[in-house]
Amino acid sequence: EIVLTQSPATLSSSPGERVTLSCRASQSVNNYLVWFQQKPGHAPRLLIHDASNRAAGIPARFSGSGSGTDFTLTISSLEPEDFAVYYCQQRNNWPLTFGGGTKVEIK
Amino acid sequence: EVQLVESGGGLVQPGGSLRLSCAASGFTFSDYSMNWVRQAPGKGLEWIAYIRSGGNTIYYADSVKGRFTISRDDAKNSVYLRMSSLRDEDTALYFCASDLESWRYWGQGTLVIVSS
Repeated sequence: EIVLTQSPATLSSSPGERVTLSCRASQSVNNYLVWFQQKPGHAPRLLIHDASNRAAGIPARFSGSGSGTDFTLTISSLEPEDFAVYYCQQRNNWPLTFGGGTKVEIK
Repeated sequence: EVQLVESGGGLVQPGGSLRLSCAASGFTFSDYSMNWVRQAPGKGLEWIAYIRSGGNTIYYADSVKGRFTISRDDAKNSVYLRMSSLRDEDTALYFCASDLESWRYWGQGTLVIVSS
């Protein structure tokens, strides 16, 4: 099973700041890495697929990069609605696995 | 408009069974694979089951293998999760998600509580 390790677990930041979230895989997932955003009481929202492709309707301030084992989600300028939990997921191997999540909170 | 609506959750005793349903609309259901994902209270996301379009390929997480069964009925645009031998640790919000647009569409979830 591929283990995805997300860091940091919690990130305290202010609106307008640039933030970078990390997802590291225990073995290569090629570029089959996805990012979701989840707010309390809601289903996850797809942000990025195939490591760097923004999903439909996702603002340009969200970007993804990486391949192999190291991936990054960058929010270029935090908006108030971006405070949430972010999960990465790999789809290269069965079983599919999620990272433990990074909570982006207001400083 | 694409919609996924889960149902069938509830309170069940340990060792009991439950069947969850996910009704899809707004897209050609038979063309897409479907997944079940769960989230225990206050915890992260856990993928648990997958069924390919056509139904001939199925995968499970080890945590549910042998206890849960995923199936689909393309005539009813629905995917199901039959859960048996339920344990306390199966308590979670259960979501269905379609492979349409790379899992862009999810249901709102149905809550399963396993407790005596």
